[in-house]
Amino acid sequence: KNQVEQSPQSLIILEGKNCTLQCNYTVSPFSNLRWYKQDTGRGPVSLTIMTFSENTKSNGRYTATLDADTKQSSLHITASQLSDSASYICVVSAAFSGGYNKLIFGAGTRLAVHP
Amino acid sequence: DAGVIQSPRHEVTEMGQEVTLRCKPISGHNSLFWYRQTMMRGLELLIYFNNNVPIDDSGMPEDRFSAKMPNASFSTLKIQPSEPRDSAVYFCASSFGGRNTEAFFGQGTRLTVV
Repeated sequence: KNQVEQSPQSLIILEGKNCTLQCNYTVSPFSNLRWYKQDTGRGPVSLTIMTFSENTKSNGRYTATLDADTKQSSLHITASQLSDSASYICVVSAAFSGGYNKLIFGAGTRLAVHP
Repeated sequence: DAGVIQSPRHEVTEMGQEVTLRCKPISGHNSLFWYRQTMMRGLELLIYFNNNVPIDDSGMPEDRFSAKMPNASFSTLKIQPSEPRDSAVYFCASSFGGRNTEAFFGQGTRLTVV
């Protein structure tokens, strides 16, 4: 069964601190893994997308890693800011014929950054 | 580009009424997705269109839900009759190209069925 599990479910950190969010998946056939940020009341916004051959990708203070062998990914946030408070969703694509990808969503990690 | 545009942003309706949600994808995108998000179940794919043709509707919960894409710039998701358990935020997303392209989400429609 295709599944994406994220941990922790929620996290509180102080402004300026670093944090790491985890994602484990069992998705086949794997196509790519994405991290989305979703602010309250808004749609998800893509942070990174990684294919099988990529094991790290950065977007500003966000760095995602991918270990395709262990089927794990992490999202590291450096020097957190209040605006980082949001839900972070790990999404894994399963590839089907004809170029169609089915996205399997994790439940998300709700991050709160406090001053 | 204004991004994916959804309307209305909020909808409150009585049980049994018909509800129509609308989506304008980003111009030039050939894939369109409808998602539903609730606290209990997170984000769920309802239906996926490619070049205006429904490819995967396995996520549509039941016959009360229907979706159409009459042209490349417009899609609707209809619920008839609506029920309180349909209350959720409904997102539309669009993308272009192959498997590893990014999907852009709209702001969502928050539906409340009372």
